Parts: sequence; C-alpha cells; structure tokens
Amino acid sequence: NAGVTQTPKFRVLKTGQSMTLLCAQDMNHEYMYWYRQDPGMGLRLIHYSVGEGTTAKGEVPDGYNVSRLKKQNFLLGLESAAPSQTSVYFCASSYSVGLYNEQFFGPGTRLTVL
Amino acid sequence: GENVEQHPSTLSVQEGDSAVIKCTYSDSASNYFPWYKQELGKGPQLIIDIRSNVGEKKDQRIAVTLNKTAKHFSLHITETQPEDSAVYFCAANGNNRLAFGKGNQVVVIP
Repeated sequence: NAGVTQTPKFRVLKTGQSMTLLCAQDMNHEYMYWYRQDPGMGLRLIHYSVGEGTTAKGEVPDGYNVSRLKKQNFLLGLESAAPSQTSVYFCASSYSVGLYNEQFFGPGTRLTVL
Repeated sequence: GENVEQHPSTLSVQEGDSAVIKCTYSDSASNYFPWYKQELGKGPQLIIDIRSNVGEKKDQRIAVTLNKTAKHFSLHITETQPEDSAVYFCAANGNNRLAFGKGNQVVVIP
C-alpha cells in the first residue's frame, strides 16, 4: 500500500495563478482532509469530506475549493493564488465514520506564491 | 468548536532524560486524544492515542495520561533518544474531525 500520496511535492505560483493539488489514498478510507501548516500555527483544517461526492468547510476555507468525485481522491483547488496561501499543505484520510478517527497523512506539498 | 492548546512550545532535554508535553482542551464532549509526531520534511504520524474511558496508556517509552475533570492530557517520553527529536502535536476530536494544538518542538541533546 502506498498510503496517502500527494502531487506535486513542490510548486511556485505567481499571484493570481490557479492550481490543483491532488491527494490519493489506497486504504478505502471514507474521510479525507486538507490541512495547511504554517510556522507556529499548527495544522489548520481547510476542507474535509465524509464520503464520495461530499465536502464540508473547515476552519480556514476561504480562497480554496475542493472536490471528491472518487472515493480515493480529494482535490484542493486555488482559483486565484495569493501570497497568504504560501504554506505546506497536507492531505489526510481516516477509516472510521465514528468518533475515533486515526488520520493518516501524506508527505505534504510545499507551495510558494510570489 | 474544540480548542486545543499545547505547552511549552519548545522543549530541550538531555539524551536519556524524560520529556513531558501538556495539552488542554475546551470541549468536554471530546473523547479521543491522539498524539502525532512530525519529523522534518514529513507528514505527521500517529504515535499514541487515548480514549476517554481510560486514564493512562503506555507503549514502550511513550505514555499518555488523561485528566477529564481538568480537561488536560500529557505525553510522556522516557529515556529520550536523538530520534525522538521532532515536532509533536496533540489533538482532540469533535464534529467528526480533529482539532490540533500548535505543536511542540522537542530537541534531544546528545
């Protein structure tokens, strides 16, 4: 099993450009999440999905959109990138729809917006 | 929603000593408290977790304690080794997701 994979690993954008980050998991997990990690801020939830075809907002959803067309994939889109979106982005997935959600994280995508 | 706080932000320990990281949470309905370790350049990885029906859990050199009355839980690492140097995140569940603390940098000095 590859676990959770993220594409790309690094990306540099100019302000106003758009891009899509891809997350894939091969563990048949129902839940998937997108976080951003900034120095001193920990992990902040952007959007999440509780199943194929569903999405929901997290703590910091503004400026991002997501889609979960297939159970194994969760896409994070930036329509018009801003320097404030410079961050490391982590995708995670979990198997449980109950209360005890062990989350498995991908290796991260480092995004710089100039 | 749930709010999780971690203290201290950075912890330096001599190799072989113990390290303790404390977290507090706000939502009394939370009942699952995992700890994640993040090594440089990698994603966080679960190292231990505890559920609200127990007060302590151990796994080799790592233990977690939970005080539901005071709404705090702690990670204990004994006999620290250089490979324990990392950022550690605590979290608490709520609304089908986890709320993470801001992380603690642990530095083990050889």
